[in-house]
Amino acid sequence: SAVISQKPSRDICQRGTSLTIQCQVDSQVTMMFWYRQQPGQSLTLIATANQGSEATYESGFVIDKFPISRPNLTFSTLTVSNLSPEDSSIYLCSVADTSYEQYFGPGTRLTVT
Amino acid sequence: TQLLEQSPQFLSIQEGENLTVYCNSSSVFSSLQWYRQEPGEGPVLLVTVVTGGEVKKLKRLTFQFGDARKDSSLHITAAQPGDTGLYLCAGFPGTYKYIFGTGTRLKVLA
Repeated sequence: SAVISQKPSRDICQRGTSLTIQCQVDSQVTMMFWYRQQPGQSLTLIATANQGSEATYESGFVIDKFPISRPNLTFSTLTVSNLSPEDSSIYLCSVADTSYEQYFGPGTRLTVT
Repeated sequence: TQLLEQSPQFLSIQEGENLTVYCNSSSVFSSLQWYRQEPGEGPVLLVTVVTGGEVKKLKRLTFQFGDARKDSSLHITAAQPGDTGLYLCAGFPGTYKYIFGTGTRLKVLA
């Protein structure tokens, strides 16, 4: 299994600003994903981070609002832009190996004021 | 749209009781996973089931994949307070992404 770290673990941001979340994996992985989760609820997939190409976004999520970078096979960033209170949530990155088993980072709790 | 419905949504039981959580869909999945998540942490993978009818046991937890690979169940025997958490099933339809269930919040009282 992979060990995943995320930075920051939490942040409080003002509306209209942006937050960039970093995801670091201790090994090279093919698939990386970004999810959003309201506390105590299920996960919603934002996008798949593709190494060397544009991320694949799910319905309801757009690149202008959630730009993603993935410069190599161990690192990715998710930026949440032009923040509004509705963006307050937990953001999680995950990776999947060749057996398609997913491993998650600890999450970033974002509060927008 | 592929959906995974979990039931019950909430469950509060006494230590020592048994419980079953269900994960149902009208879609077929290549594999299905169960996760447990505690507050402030990411989901932790418990098990992956692949074959229709497959049963896997992890100590007091028993996981079953439906024969048609559309549903799954998680049974906990003699629940303990340490079992408290959010339980999520996730189906892999064979494409690049997972479909997560609606979640079951379990609280085991000492």
